[in-house]
Amino acid sequence: QSALTQPASVSGSPGQSITISCTGTSSDVGGYNYVSWYQQHPGKAPKLMIHDVSNRPSGVSNRFSGSKSGNTASLTISGLQAEDEADYYCSSYTRSRSWVFGGGTKLTVL
Amino acid sequence: EVQLVESGGGLVQPGGSLRLSCAASGFTFSSYWMHWVRQAPGKGLVWVSRLNLDGSSTTYADSVKGRFTISRDNAKNTLYLQMNSPRAEDTAVYYCAREGIVGATDYWGQGTLVTVSS
Repeated sequence: QSALTQPASVSGSPGQSITISCTGTSSDVGGYNYVSWYQQHPGKAPKLMIHDVSNRPSGVSNRFSGSKSGNTASLTISGLQAEDEADYYCSSYTRSRSWVFGGGTKLTVL
Repeated sequence: EVQLVESGGGLVQPGGSLRLSCAASGFTFSSYWMHWVRQAPGKGLVWVSRLNLDGSSTTYADSVKGRFTISRDNAKNTLYLQMNSPRAEDTAVYYCAREGIVGATDYWGQGTLVTVSS
């Protein structure tokens, strides 16, 4: 149950687009479409942003999008806004019927 | 409004025991799989455990297997996590979360802090 691999930090200016990667194996990310992304502001509970690789829950801005290629999933945020500054985590179902999160990525809006 | 409220956290000695609760409201609790996820201070999210609708099927992270037990009381709309023989590395904020979408948790509580220390 090794954590999925995410970059520790990414940054971008307002209005720009950024992409956060999430790399796993064929036993998790590559083997299932149960990949989700969560946003967490300091001191707050995580919020679901993307589920099933690329689906947005109701109420989540269409500036957030997800995709997957092989063992790597990606979260793209377009038109960066100050309120997007937060920690982002990917998650995947695994072959052992457990779940696994990525190590998290701190997004800084410059 | 969906609400998940955790309680039961606090200071526990290594080797002791603690039971966390998660009170659910605003939805039909018995219709959803439920999870516990934890976050050590300043660290990332770590999945802990998952429970099916009637409590008959459980899954655990290797790090807690054999020490923690997840359970639920659908009549009381409450999820539990029994923590036996906790270790210092179990110190974290523990969140309960609803699996509202297959493969994703759509609602989370605000968490309860567990500190394992002598």
